[in-house]
Amino acid sequence: GAGVSQTPSNKVTEKGKYVELRCDPISGHTALYWYRQSLGQGPEFLIYFQGTGAADDSGLPNDRFFAVRPEGSVSTLKIQRTERGDSAVYLCASSLMAGEQFFGPGTRLTVL
Amino acid sequence: GENVEQHPSTLSVQEGDSAVIKCTYSDSASNYFPWYKQELGKGPQLIIDIRSNVGEKKDQRIAVTLNKTAKHFSLHITETQPEDSAVYFCAATSPGYSSASKIIFGSGTRLSIRP
Repeated sequence: GAGVSQTPSNKVTEKGKYVELRCDPISGHTALYWYRQSLGQGPEFLIYFQGTGAADDSGLPNDRFFAVRPEGSVSTLKIQRTERGDSAVYLCASSLMAGEQFFGPGTRLTVL
Repeated sequence: GENVEQHPSTLSVQEGDSAVIKCTYSDSASNYFPWYKQELGKGPQLIIDIRSNVGEKKDQRIAVTLNKTAKHFSLHITETQPEDSAVYFCAATSPGYSSASKIIFGSGTRLSIRP
């Protein structure tokens, strides 16, 4: 079946601009996670949703980052006033409750 | 919070030899330890996992061991093959029976298999 999909696969933007990254989880998965992976590092947790609500947003680095999941399926990660340090691969994962997390291919964000 | 240390950062082994990657964790509340393989341009993929009530688990050429007392866990790959070349991540998490939990990843090991 279809796995986790993320769009766009690549995003190049200029410092100060606003970006939105989209995640389509596996159908029926109740939990959805966002991670950020810098070059040569392991993924770092940002936020996860159980249904429509953010169950844990402790990994969001500052208030420029925000994520929504209004209908409990698709999620959007929003970054305001982007900075060069935001450049990374943003990974989305989904799972059934406490089960295995399945990862998407990621969105590579480059802030010039 | 949880901190996961992983070593070595790079590992090169001859095809057919074994590879071992070691990790430590800090939070005794962690009870689930997945290992991920990440190939270039792809997201991490779960290859094996172990729960805190088990000391060892094996799946064909891959095995994991866990020492709860020392907070150490390791990945062992035997009879390595070229397709084993990738970046491997250890991780720790503490999911409840019906609740999800964030995963804390190690920094990764780039494994290269020499033909």
